Amino acid sequence: QQQVRQSPQSLTVWEGETAILNCSYENSAFDYFPWYQQFPGEGPALLIAIRSVSDKKEDGRFTIFFNKREKKLSLHITDSQPGDSATYFCAASPSGGSNYKLTFGKGTLLTVTP
Amino acid sequence: GGIITQTPKFLIGQEGQKLTLKCQQNFNHDTMYWYRQDSGKGLRLIYYSITENDLQKGDLSEGYDASREKKSSFSLTVTSAQKNEMAVFLCASSIRTGGADTLYFGAGTRLSVL
Repeated sequence: QQQVRQSPQSLTVWEGETAILNCSYENSAFDYFPWYQQFPGEGPALLIAIRSVSDKKEDGRFTIFFNKREKKLSLHITDSQPGDSATYFCAASPSGGSNYKLTFGKGTLLTVTP
Repeated sequence: GGIITQTPKFLIGQEGQKLTLKCQQNFNHDTMYWYRQDSGKGLRLIYYSITENDLQKGDLSEGYDASREKKSSFSLTVTSAQKNEMAVFLCASSIRTGGADTLYFGAGTRLSVL
């Protein structure tokens, strides 16, 4: 049973466009939602995270929009740059944000074309 | 800053072979993890360790052993490599900030079994 779903599997946008990566979850107990960014040949790194008490979290060009009622969230990357090309993982965990119970989605491969 | 060092970077094994992957961290973090990353399947937790000499099974522990003899190191053993198996094994450590844990990953060990 896949508890965290990501779509699309892959996405190509032009430089300067806004990339929108989607994530949905099933477990109502999930409270903490980090997004990890992974470049080829490297391990993932935390990009941005949100808690379910918020509906939006912004960090520069990266914004998470969160809809608790629909159990959906999305990562918007504005003014996309070729250097943003990477795989993005949405993850979720219950209250307390313990990594022991962190569930990852399968990832979205983003390609930004110059 | 700190770093997670995984050795070896590439590992080629034979079917049925016992293989050991090593991980060192100099963050001085208490908790360490081993994840398996398969193409298109996200990250799945194999083992984690809350402190030195502690071991906890994740969702994918069958077929693996782990060892945490020092705070800074965490090793993973594939007890019997499966033919044609290909995966990336990621080691991570974590620290709690703002009420949630942040994972810091190594670059991975890429396993191929002939």
